[in-house]
Amino acid sequence: GQQVMQIPQYQHVQEGEDFTTYCNSSTTLSNIQWYKQRPGGHPVFLIQLVKSGEVKKQKRLTFQFGEAKKNSSLHITATQTTDVGTYFCAHAWDTGNQFYFGTGTSLTVIP
Amino acid sequence: GAGVSQSPRYKVAKRGQDVALRCDPISGHVSLFWYQQALGQGPEFLTYFQNEAQLDKSGLPSDRFFAERPEGSVSTLKIQRTQQEDSAVYLCASSFTSWGISSYNEQFFGPGTRLTVL
Repeated sequence: GQQVMQIPQYQHVQEGEDFTTYCNSSTTLSNIQWYKQRPGGHPVFLIQLVKSGEVKKQKRLTFQFGEAKKNSSLHITATQTTDVGTYFCAHAWDTGNQFYFGTGTSLTVIP
Repeated sequence: GAGVSQSPRYKVAKRGQDVALRCDPISGHVSLFWYQQALGQGPEFLTYFQNEAQLDKSGLPSDRFFAERPEGSVSTLKIQRTQQEDSAVYLCASSFTSWGISSYNEQFFGPGTRLTVL
């Protein structure tokens, strides 16, 4: 598949610490979406970014789309135990109907 | 219903058996996707429907996999002669609008069907 790579693969943080996951592509993306999947659950949509340099915030979550539209990041400020889960970036190419998920970052929050 | 539903939630099949997995999308949603998610991996695209039309089936791993959405609502993913490598969670997602340039929208996922092939 045409994956985007996410780093890190795993992250353990103390509750209250910040967390960032990065999504990187070798080619320009037309859009990026972020999803959260709790252990044993299904992906839940968080946000969609389409513009170069776009930044969106949702409470403690900050999403950014790079200027070159080849990378994106999700930053969580002051993590809570409710933030536990795997965070996926995902995108679709302009030319097709397929939708590709990144490799995911699994976040563990230690109380 | 309020969300996407899938049935059965769990399916155990003996190798060589045929299985059928059902997805009930949110009413009125035009787009429907099927994904396969192996343990510890991200969802992998299988196929896409716009109403009843299957516009993309490039992700189906073999000709043993077949999907349909005959009336543009409920969809069924059928796997013939199941193999052990088919063991995974099969996720269905729906989206309000059709899929394409400048119209990528939130996908609502169902709980998935966990298929185990023995």
